[in-house]
Amino acid sequence: DGGITQSPKYLFRKEGQNVTLSCEQNLNHDAMYWYRQDPGQGLRLIYYSQIVNDFQKGDIAEGYSVSREKKESFPLTVTSAQKNPTAFYLCASSPRVSGTLETQYFGPGTRLLVL
Amino acid sequence: KQEVTQIPAALSVPEGENLVLNCSFTDSAIYNLQWFRQDPGKGLTSLLLIQSSQREQTSGRLNASLDKSSGRSTLYIAASQPGDSATYLCAVKLTGGGNKLTFGTGTQLKVEL
Repeated sequence: DGGITQSPKYLFRKEGQNVTLSCEQNLNHDAMYWYRQDPGQGLRLIYYSQIVNDFQKGDIAEGYSVSREKKESFPLTVTSAQKNPTAFYLCASSPRVSGTLETQYFGPGTRLLVL
Repeated sequence: KQEVTQIPAALSVPEGENLVLNCSFTDSAIYNLQWFRQDPGKGLTSLLLIQSSQREQTSGRLNASLDKSSGRSTLYIAASQPGDSATYLCAVKLTGGGNKLTFGTGTQLKVEL
């Protein structure tokens, strides 16, 4: 099956703890993205990566970090500096066709809750 | 900065009714506009994508239109069914903005029997 997987489905974080959300895709897509979704709000871009070993900050990168060591993987770490981490986190990927990044495909999401 | 607004925030209709969801954006220099569906606690599924040069796109009972000059898009759903109940999000991609999408806040649709 081709697609995007995110794990875990639910994640609990204690105060002062760093946690890492996993995102894997077997679609051979070049670009990957992390979004945050809060109730009643649209998705907001945290980080994105257009190629392996390269990534850029999105609109709300503070308190988050990422890595892109492999094409198929783009883990997101929520650090203790992120003071309001409770949200639904969505990962997406998109192919590059004729030099243009095409439509984004989304994973099922991870819900992060603070204990 | 591009801002995307969706009205109404929530909508409840009886089964079989035709309905229209609205999306407006402030910067008309868009590359494309996309409509997504999101079921509760799930990821997003792409429904329709309209390029900036197009006026509308159709898929089954769904029709999306785009008016760049007025900064508006509509999603028309014909003969609504309970299975259409979900949150509908529109997102715009700016020209020269890489592949970054700016999302609206969504319209939560409930189709009742």
